[in-house]
Amino acid sequence: DAGITQSPRHKVTETGTPVTLRCHQTENHRYMYWYRQDPGHGLRLIHYSYGVKDTDKGEVSDGYSVSRSKTEDFLLTLESATSSQTSVYFCAIRDRSSGANVLTFGAGSRLTVL
Amino acid sequence: AQKVTQAQTEISVVEKEDVTLDCVYETRDTTYYLFWYKQPPSGELVFLIRRNSFDEQNEISGRYSWNFQKSTSSFNFTITASQVVDSAVYFCALSFITGTASKLTFGTGTRLQVTL
Repeated sequence: DAGITQSPRHKVTETGTPVTLRCHQTENHRYMYWYRQDPGHGLRLIHYSYGVKDTDKGEVSDGYSVSRSKTEDFLLTLESATSSQTSVYFCAIRDRSSGANVLTFGAGSRLTVL
Repeated sequence: AQKVTQAQTEISVVEKEDVTLDCVYETRDTTYYLFWYKQPPSGELVFLIRRNSFDEQNEISGRYSWNFQKSTSSFNFTITASQVVDSAVYFCALSFITGTASKLTFGTGTRLQVTL
């Protein structure tokens, strides 16, 4: 168990409201990731972090920001949610105990933007 | 740029049939990793296997086997004697070996439905 907790697990919000998803890990992993999963698109990388305050964009970063002020927490923020951001969001950590480059995923956060 | 193609959107088989899930990838890099993940109906993503581009040996784990062919840029996954518990969405993924912070590029997934 990589000790990844995502919160909230489910959220319904309205267009234009800010939303923050939290990913918490307990095993001091350096690398953390946010992916979104949509039908027909598989999983796509939004942002990732390679240390405290060190983050970078993925392929679908528009409309999202992230922060990592502590090793254990990686926050994904939608400043003004849109219906196109309705998705399932997965946090992941790079778990070296499973082998190089293997990502271990959290349980997912389902976000619905009305 | 990297790309992973899983052309089979959905496959239905009857229990005990063998089934192969196709994965074709594109990358300019000469060293890379390939992965398969399983997403059962409960929604979690489960890591199944990682292969590196240096090793083209096929791998077998119980009823699961993987066929990596660099010449055709394919990394296919076969389930022998399928069972209802194999019903899931299966994702193939690719990453560079060095640098780029282990970013995985995923295919769009293949939904496998195994019925009695």
